[in-house]
Amino acid sequence: EAGVAQSPRYKIIEKRQSVAFWCNPISGHATLYWYQQILGQGPKLLIQFQNNGVVDDSQLPKDRFSAERLKGVDSTLKIQPAKLEDSAVYLCASSSLGTGAKDEQFFGPGTRLTVL
Amino acid sequence: QQQVKQSPQSLIVQKGGISIINCAYENTAFDYFPWYQQFPGKGPALLIAIRPDVSEKKEGRFTISFNKSAKQFSLHIMDSQPGDSATYFCAASMKSGTYKYIFGTGTRLKVLA
Repeated sequence: EAGVAQSPRYKIIEKRQSVAFWCNPISGHATLYWYQQILGQGPKLLIQFQNNGVVDDSQLPKDRFSAERLKGVDSTLKIQPAKLEDSAVYLCASSSLGTGAKDEQFFGPGTRLTVL
Repeated sequence: QQQVKQSPQSLIVQKGGISIINCAYENTAFDYFPWYQQFPGKGPALLIAIRPDVSEKKEGRFTISFNKSAKQFSLHIMDSQPGDSATYFCAASMKSGTYKYIFGTGTRLKVLA
């Protein structure tokens, strides 16, 4: 089974520029997550989708971050405009959501963003 | 209440030794506690997980010990190997609601050959 795909793997931008990240979850996984992982810290949930609906975006800085999951499959996360403190690895994860073993979240390799 | 506190921040162990990483939580509604392993340049991958109805779970060299009354859980890596050198994250989630994970801050483990 193919894993979670993310692109690009690396991105360097100037502050105030815009950037977008793409994620394709494991086939059949209804739940998709975007995390921000700042160097030396654990991943922090930004937004969680169930199919194409948002179930939790409480920690998403909505003045600059947006995300969508059209058709309930792949997803994009956008930052506009970027700030220096947005430098981090952006991780996408997916799960089949449920009980027992289906609680597992499968992570992609991440996109490392550097804002100069 | 949503925090998961993890220690130590870094750990150096000799090959063949035991690595122990500890986590503590406050929210008693948490009912699923996974441990993730992350290698440089890779996303985290599930290592082992436990629910609060058992006090211990073992998979190969990896064991989770769970103390519900103390609200603490720990990962033990027996016979640690250089290939175990990675960053380890504990996490907690609730079966109700959104199932979202709250991650600890991570432990960077280095196993010396």
